[in-house]
Amino acid sequence: AQSVTQPDIHITVSEGASLELRCNYSYGATPYLFWYVQSPGQGLQLLLKYFSGDTLVQGIKGFEAEFKRSQSSFNLRKPSVHWSDAAEYFCAVRGAGNMLTFGGGTRLMVKP
Amino acid sequence: EAGVAQSPRYKIIEKRQSVAFWCNPISGHATLYWYQQILGQGPKLLIQFQNNGVVDDSQLPKDRFSAERLKGVDSTLKIQPAKLEDSAVYLCASSFTSGNNEQFFGPGTRLTVL
Repeated sequence: AQSVTQPDIHITVSEGASLELRCNYSYGATPYLFWYVQSPGQGLQLLLKYFSGDTLVQGIKGFEAEFKRSQSSFNLRKPSVHWSDAAEYFCAVRGAGNMLTFGGGTRLMVKP
Repeated sequence: EAGVAQSPRYKIIEKRQSVAFWCNPISGHATLYWYQQILGQGPKLLIQFQNNGVVDDSQLPKDRFSAERLKGVDSTLKIQPAKLEDSAVYLCASSFTSGNNEQFFGPGTRLTVL
């Protein structure tokens, strides 16, 4: 069965600083990987996804993620964080039948 | 395009009571999902429908949880009787099909069981 680990429960960065959120997955076949963002009281919004091809994936809101098969990782990055990026971020892997398995999430706080 | 609609947004009940949540997916989406998100955790899939049929309900606690999508459009998730540990946000999502398609999530229903 697939699984996703997000090692960092909380991360605090200063506005304008760079960001990297870690995600490690376990899956027997070629993984389909996703990053979602959840703002307070909101549903999940898809930031980006990796299915195949280029291992560096661009998403919305200036986010990108890099798939590294050798490390079983799919880390999310942003070069310059804005205060509006404060939210919870979830990494997910897709299994059979389009079912998603999510990690535990990383809560991002942004200092002014 | 309207998104996934859920109601109510908030519900507070006492343990052993029953509760129902409603979800209306994006028009034309054949696949509907119910997730449970306990505070501090990622969402966990409870049940997946393809039209009006169940694709997977392996993680649904069937002794107390039930779900239906009778006409293949909107869906209802019920808990009867509720336990304290059922306190969570219940998220509904839909996708065009069950293949390689993005899931779109509703805002969720926050359930508190006292």
